[in-house]
Amino acid sequence: TQLLEQSPQFLSIQEGENLTVYCNSSSVFSSLQWYRQEPGEGPVLLVTVVTGGEVKKLKRLTFQFGDARKDSSLHITAAQPGDTGLYLCAGRREYQGGKLIFGQGTELSVKP
Amino acid sequence: DAGVTQSPTHLIKTRGQQVTLRCSPKSGHDTVSWYQQALGQGPQFIFQYYEEEERQRGNFPDRFSGHQFPNYSSELNVNALLLGDSALYLCARSPRGGGSIYEQYFGPGTRLTVT
Repeated sequence: TQLLEQSPQFLSIQEGENLTVYCNSSSVFSSLQWYRQEPGEGPVLLVTVVTGGEVKKLKRLTFQFGDARKDSSLHITAAQPGDTGLYLCAGRREYQGGKLIFGQGTELSVKP
Repeated sequence: DAGVTQSPTHLIKTRGQQVTLRCSPKSGHDTVSWYQQALGQGPQFIFQYYEEEERQRGNFPDRFSGHQFPNYSSELNVNALLLGDSALYLCARSPRGGGSIYEQYFGPGTRLTVT
């Protein structure tokens, strides 16, 4: 059973389109992080959200943490080919120290 | 730059053999975590080291063991390799003390192939 469910698992879009990736759970997380990973490399941290309802923006990327801290979303505006990669959400549950629980990832392909 | 180096980059081993992977976080980051990422999956937590002791462990068998040295570097050892151990092994550092967020910064990984 996947504790963090990401959807969609695969997404292929044209340059300029908008998209949203979802990360859902029935569990509460004390913090949630989004990573982007390219083939053969380690995940690169994009953002950390901590407070329920929190919204953070990173250029064309908007991240939101659900009010109940059980879900999160990543929205990309006007996607570019450079956005192509594997997007991973990862949550930390309270009293579980530094253990991160990852979703299975969303593979994004942006075609020019 | 995540400030984590891992070696080797790639490794091919035969079933039943043993392997040691290495991780070196940059100075001042003394919590090290190891993850296994199978092809097409998200990383799975193996264990975490802090002050040279294993502090947390995921659902991995005892064949997986580790060590942290006084300079914060770490090793991951896997004994009696199985075909299913083929994966990208990731090392991550966390800021000293971890704080309340435990942000983790990942190295490039070691690609292990078991034949």
